[in-house]
Amino acid sequence: EVQLVESGGRVVRPGGSLRLSCAASGFIFDDYGMSWVRQVPGKGLEWVSGINWNANDAGYADSLKGRCTISRDNAKNSVHLQMNSLRVEDTALYYCVRVRTGSYHDGYDLWGQGTMVTVSS
Amino acid sequence: SYVVTQPPSMSVAPGETARITCVGSKIEDKGVFWYQQKPGQAPVLVMYYDKVRPSGIPERFSGSNSGNTATLTISRVAPGDEADFYCQVYDNYRGVFGGGTKLTVL
Repeated sequence: EVQLVESGGRVVRPGGSLRLSCAASGFIFDDYGMSWVRQVPGKGLEWVSGINWNANDAGYADSLKGRCTISRDNAKNSVHLQMNSLRVEDTALYYCVRVRTGSYHDGYDLWGQGTMVTVSS
Repeated sequence: SYVVTQPPSMSVAPGETARITCVGSKIEDKGVFWYQQKPGQAPVLVMYYDKVRPSGIPERFSGSNSGNTATLTISRVAPGDEADFYCQVYDNYRGVFGGGTKLTVL
């Protein structure tokens, strides 16, 4: 089955760190770029970060730049988002998404179900 | 930073045509992507590169992009089309989403 399964979301204190993971299956993982998109429940979508197929190109939203790092392991069909210095406003459902091409700046044709990150004291 | 603006909501009667707009400076120079999100579900890509429908998306969905406005058009709207719709572009290789439009089918 073609799917993305996120993990790693939890409650974390402000200033803390978190590593989100996404396991891909059912498709040739290194044919595609991957990204993370977040959504505060009841609110809109926000692009977080993206990485191209071979990890030599990546981008970050200004709101997270310097505080997060995206990486991928093509041998393990996985992508990760390391987030540091977390803020209350980072609280959201984080979706792992497949980019429809090998770059990271294209549309998203496959979405996971999301993993919830809550930043609270 | 680049901003794209969508109307927060719109309502149409079944069988009518819904036109959801996405406004941004010279948006015609960018490729626009559209997503449909139903309650409790992850979004689904319904249009890419302004006007290309992914496989499985009904022909009732079409897209256009000219000047400062991109438009997602849904013909013969059905109750099952009720959802939030988001446009997305890239600016300096950073993704930018519109705020979303809640489509209500009366």
